[in-house]
Amino acid sequence: KAGVTQTPRYLIKTRGQQVTLSCSPISGHRSVSWYQQTPGQGLQFLFEYFSETQRNKGNFPGRFSGRQFSNSRSEMNVSTLELGDSALYLCASSLERGRETQYFGPGTRLLVL
Amino acid sequence: QQQVKQSPQSLIVQKGGISIINCAYENTAFDYFPWYQQFPGKGPALLIAIRPDVSEKKEGRFTISFNKSAKQFSLHIMDSQPGDSATYFCAAGKSQGNLIFGKGTKLSVKP
Repeated sequence: KAGVTQTPRYLIKTRGQQVTLSCSPISGHRSVSWYQQTPGQGLQFLFEYFSETQRNKGNFPGRFSGRQFSNSRSEMNVSTLELGDSALYLCASSLERGRETQYFGPGTRLLVL
Repeated sequence: QQQVKQSPQSLIVQKGGISIINCAYENTAFDYFPWYQQFPGKGPALLIAIRPDVSEKKEGRFTISFNKSAKQFSLHIMDSQPGDSATYFCAAGKSQGNLIFGKGTKLSVKP
């Protein structure tokens, strides 16, 4: 079974631009969570989607948004990029909500100049 | 109440030694405590997880010890190998909630 895939793997943007990242969960998995990973703050939860609905949201500004499609694929969008948004963005999928094992993708490394 | 504190930040261990990483949490509602291993350029991978109804769980060379009253849990890696060199994250969460991660421990195992 293929793992979690994320595209693109690397991205360079400039301040003020917006960006869309994509995540394809493991086949059959219905829950997708997004995390931001930085050296200073570690792994921080952005949001979780299940059955096309946002179920949980972390403490990030409204510039960060996401959605989930009927096939469980998910996208996250960051508008009006800031230098501090440079990070590794990780997507994790699990079969259901709750304490199911989360499987992480390789991440998208975003650099904002 | 949502923090998970992890220590040490970095750890150097000789091959064959025991690596110990500690975590402390605040929220008594947390009921799931996983450990993740991350290699450079890869996403975190689940190593081992424990629920608060047991005090210890062992899988191969990896053991989680859990102290509910102290709100602490730790990862022990026995017979540490150079291939174990990675960053380790503890996490805590509750049913239907998201995981809160520690800041990570960079482990280097010297041959």
